[in-house]
Amino acid sequence: DTGVSQDPRHKITKRGQNVTFRCDPISEHNRLYWYRQTLGQGPEFLTYFQNEAQLEKSRLLSDRFSAERPKGSFSTLEIQRTEQGDSAMYLCASSIGTGVLANVLTFGAGSRLTVL
Amino acid sequence: GQSLEQPSEVTAVEGAIVQINCTYQTSGFYGLSWYQQHDGGAPTFLSYNGLDGLEETGRFSSFLSRSDSYGYLLLQELQMKDSASYFCALLGQGGKLIFGQGTELSVKP
Repeated sequence: DTGVSQDPRHKITKRGQNVTFRCDPISEHNRLYWYRQTLGQGPEFLTYFQNEAQLEKSRLLSDRFSAERPKGSFSTLEIQRTEQGDSAMYLCASSIGTGVLANVLTFGAGSRLTVL
Repeated sequence: GQSLEQPSEVTAVEGAIVQINCTYQTSGFYGLSWYQQHDGGAPTFLSYNGLDGLEETGRFSSFLSRSDSYGYLLLQELQMKDSASYFCALLGQGGKLIFGQGTELSVKP
């Protein structure tokens, strides 16, 4: 297994365009998380999945953000009508969702979004 | 909701010991974790405390006191490569991991 993969690594887009990020977690991990991180800040929780079920979405997240994990494997995060404030690193992480190991998240390298 | 507070910056010299504190507010949680992130890199798991007390992993130790809503990460025999950001994180009863704002550690020669 090669760890958590994210694609694309960098995305530059114009304000108002839609963007989609993909995350491929570690295969035996049933829990998948999306976080957003800006410079000098901690990862900000966006949403997470247990298998294909989306268990929680941050109340701070606008309706322009949507995430799916259709078969409980890879996940996509879509941002519609991007705004300059969406510029950030989008991090995906996965874990075995039970017991102590639920605390051990393996992060991908992230997808950096720049909105012009 | 949940919130965590950490100092924003800590500076120490090579070979020294440094402690990074974390205080939190939560209505319930399973445990406190610590992650390390180097510039340009992804966060990586360091340590977890599910129970009160000290957990030791090599040069790193982590401590939790639920009664004081407090934990810390202790780094011994500091090396230049330990310069990074360190995050405490709570695993809430809903199963999501919430991170603090991070402490940037600078290790000087």
